[in-house]
Amino acid sequence: DAGVTQSPTHLIKTRGQQVTLRCSPISGHKSVSWYQQVLGQGPQFIFQYYEKEERGRGNFPDRFSARQFPNYSSELNVNALLLGDSALYLCASSLEGTSNQPQHFGDGTRLSIL
Amino acid sequence: QKEVEQNSGPLSVPEGAIASLNCTYSDRGSQSFFWYRQYSGKSPELIMFIYSNGDKEDGRFTAQLNKASQYVSLLIRDSQPSDSATYLCAVEDAGNMLTFGGGTRLMVKP
Repeated sequence: DAGVTQSPTHLIKTRGQQVTLRCSPISGHKSVSWYQQVLGQGPQFIFQYYEKEERGRGNFPDRFSARQFPNYSSELNVNALLLGDSALYLCASSLEGTSNQPQHFGDGTRLSIL
Repeated sequence: QKEVEQNSGPLSVPEGAIASLNCTYSDRGSQSFFWYRQYSGKSPELIMFIYSNGDKEDGRFTAQLNKASQYVSLLIRDSQPSDSATYLCAVEDAGNMLTFGGGTRLMVKP
């Protein structure tokens, strides 16, 4: 069975541009979470979605937004890109996004801002 | 502000030894605890999770949880060079949202 898939793998943007990252969860998983990992640090929580509803939001500016589709796939959008947005963006899925359910990560999208 | 603390390392152990990785957390309401392994340039890979006080063993890995001390650890027995990676401790609140530590870099020397 396929794991969590993310696209694109790599992306290069310039400051002020907008970007959309995509994620497909493991088959049967209904919850998707997004994390940002800056080099040398642990991942930081951005959003969690379950059944198309936002369940949680981390401490990120409104330039970050996301949505989940009926097939449980998800998109993360970032507007007005800043140099500091350069990071590995990770998508994780779990069965229903409730406690005690392990999250499994995709390979990530590496975003570089010039 | 929920915090998860790990020694950044590197922790260097000889091949065949036991590697001990530690993690402390600030939120007493935390319910579930996860260890992820991350190779350089790759994404985190789940290796262990623990929900109850005590020990949980899976092959060469043992996770230990002490909620009273707000402490969770990972032991790797018979360490191999292929275990060299960064180990991330993650703590979950009631909403399945994970707070990660900064990771401990483990180096296993042949």
